[in-house]
Amino acid sequence: EVQLLESGGGLVQPGGSLRLSCVASGFTFSSYAMSWVRQAPGKGLEWVSGISGSGGATYYADSVKGRFTISRDNSKNTLYLQMNSLRVEDTAVYYCAKDLSASGSYGGATFDIWGQGTMVIVSS
Amino acid sequence: QSVLTQPPSASGTPGQRVTISCSGSSSNIGTYNENWYQQLPGTAPKLLIYSDNQRPSGVPDRFSGSKSGTSASLAISGLQSEDEADYYCAAWDDTLKSPVFGGGTKLTVL
Repeated sequence: EVQLLESGGGLVQPGGSLRLSCVASGFTFSSYAMSWVRQAPGKGLEWVSGISGSGGATYYADSVKGRFTISRDNSKNTLYLQMNSLRVEDTAVYYCAKDLSASGSYGGATFDIWGQGTMVIVSS
Repeated sequence: QSVLTQPPSASGTPGQRVTISCSGSSSNIGTYNENWYQQLPGTAPKLLIYSDNQRPSGVPDRFSGSKSGTSASLAISGLQSEDEADYYCAAWDDTLKSPVFGGGTKLTVL
């Protein structure tokens, strides 16, 4: 079964850091670009960051550029999101999502598999 | 303010046909494939329609997508109570060089 399982969320003070992980199973992880998408409480979906299948290309929303770092370890089938200098407005459920295409390159908005999400709360 | 514009709400009675619109521009819907996601209460989003009008395996043919110019629509026929959910459109944006989502439409089955 194709599956994504996130972890690493929690409560952190403004200015703090968290590292999210997303373990993939049931597919050839390195063949697919991956993304992080977040959803603030009661709000819509917001793309946060994306990475190519090889990990050689990374992309960020302006709202997180310079603070968040996406990476992947294809030997461990794991996607990461290092979040630094966290702000109250970063409070959200963070989902990892798999690209539909097996091209490995990044450049679409078609996410066929989503994890269950991990909650990040930034509050003092 | 979302790059793609959706109505915040829609409603219908069981058996009816409802449509949800998504308006964009030449840098996103006008050039790239449109996708639709369904998010049931308390769950992760699910891919419902991709490449404007394709359904992933397991998605009932009651759901259909269409596109014209810089706008797209999701149609749901034979509305059922379990269709009550939030629906999001999404497309690649060539100006932002990123995926963009609509603000979401909450569908209520009366």
